[in-house]
Amino acid sequence: GENVEQHPSTLSVQEGDSAVIKCTYSDSASNYFPWYKQELGKRPQLIIDIRSNVGEKKDQRIAVTLNKTAKHFSLHITETQPEDSAVYFCAANERGSNYKLTFGKGTLLTVNP
Amino acid sequence: DADVTQTPRNRITKTGKRIMLECSQTKGHDRMYWYRQDPGLGLRLIYYSFDVKDINKGEISDGYSVSRQAQAKFSLSLESAIPNQTALYFCATSDSGLSYEQYFGPGTRLTVT
Repeated sequence: GENVEQHPSTLSVQEGDSAVIKCTYSDSASNYFPWYKQELGKRPQLIIDIRSNVGEKKDQRIAVTLNKTAKHFSLHITETQPEDSAVYFCAANERGSNYKLTFGKGTLLTVNP
Repeated sequence: DADVTQTPRNRITKTGKRIMLECSQTKGHDRMYWYRQDPGLGLRLIYYSFDVKDINKGEISDGYSVSRQAQAKFSLSLESAIPNQTALYFCATSDSGLSYEQYFGPGTRLTVT
């Protein structure tokens, strides 16, 4: 099955700096790559996703890039704010399915004021 | 607002007891999932269901069973709880259409003593 590796496991940045979280996947048939944000004590929520027919997608301060050849994708957060502090999970769909996601182990991002 | 709900939100039980976690949704989605979250291990899929007659094992189904009582209800049972099943359990839903997004419930924190 799919294997998703996520790095780093923890990341601490100063407010206003950028943060980058990277993921690799193993299944060449994967074509959907979402990112979920989980604030402390809350449920995971989708913040951005990308499909394999595009290389980059942006939504205000967050962006995701995808390199299908290298099988890796990254989350970029610019101008970080304290409310960006959370655990971020990447995921990839298994065998190109629209239902089965394999998640990375998560990155705890701390934004220091 | 359409939502995914879980009961109970917290539960402490003893080794060997049978316990059921319940999930309900008003999103009208046909697909439902149960995940387990452990610190440092991300979200791992236990079971998933496409409809009341279609239930599938996920990555870590041993020691768990499920029941899809209706399109809107999906229950997870631990037949004989053991301490290493102590974890945060999330239910999620998705639609079978073009959107691959999964919507998570608020979670159930289960402690097995």
